[in-house]
Amino acid sequence: DAMVIQNPRYQVTQFGKPVTLSCSQTLNHNVMYWYQQKSSQAPKLLFHYYDKDFNNEADTPDNFQSRRPNTSFCFLDIRSPGLGDAAMYLCATSRDRGGDGAFFGQGTRLTVV
Amino acid sequence: GQNIDQPTEMTATEGAIVQINCTYQTSGFNGLFWYQQHAGEAPTFLSYNVLDGLEEKGRFSSFLSRSKGYSYLLLKELQMKDSASYLCAVRDPSNDYKLSFGAGTTVTVRA
Repeated sequence: DAMVIQNPRYQVTQFGKPVTLSCSQTLNHNVMYWYQQKSSQAPKLLFHYYDKDFNNEADTPDNFQSRRPNTSFCFLDIRSPGLGDAAMYLCATSRDRGGDGAFFGQGTRLTVV
Repeated sequence: GQNIDQPTEMTATEGAIVQINCTYQTSGFNGLFWYQQHAGEAPTFLSYNVLDGLEEKGRFSSFLSRSKGYSYLLLKELQMKDSASYLCAVRDPSNDYKLSFGAGTTVTVRA
């Protein structure tokens, strides 16, 4: 009964070839997040949506874009992946900003070749 | 900015108790969370503290002192399956309620 679903679990892409990661949720949470996590490091917030209101972190590279067409779905687009973008990408949701914290999907592990 | 510190690694024996400390310096505070993350998996929620004191949930307990900017996660009666990374995260209302994570503490449980 997964509540935050990420597809695919593993993604291999070529250097410079655009790639899209997807996330869906059945929790009806109004906040959705994208985190990047590299090995042995803290998850790093890339951006988040509060409903349709998009919030970009100041240090998120322009190479990373996001779309949220409706409450349930959110996409992470990497326009020109570099080797340094290989990481686990975590989608998370929360019930409002003062809710119970974040519920995570299983993540997509991105490999760039 | 956000500064959240945890030890990098800890090792303990099956059946023992381990305490993972977390200190934080953030511009605001609206709750501290502990997550468990097994290798290659997503973080899963363990506990939430917003007021000072101890929250107990089965074998896991979490403590918070807001005045000291300090929390710990206590794991009792360790089992092999508890081998994982434990992440401390702070929610900051002055920073749009975003969760900022520490780098995690890798706990290895040995037989």
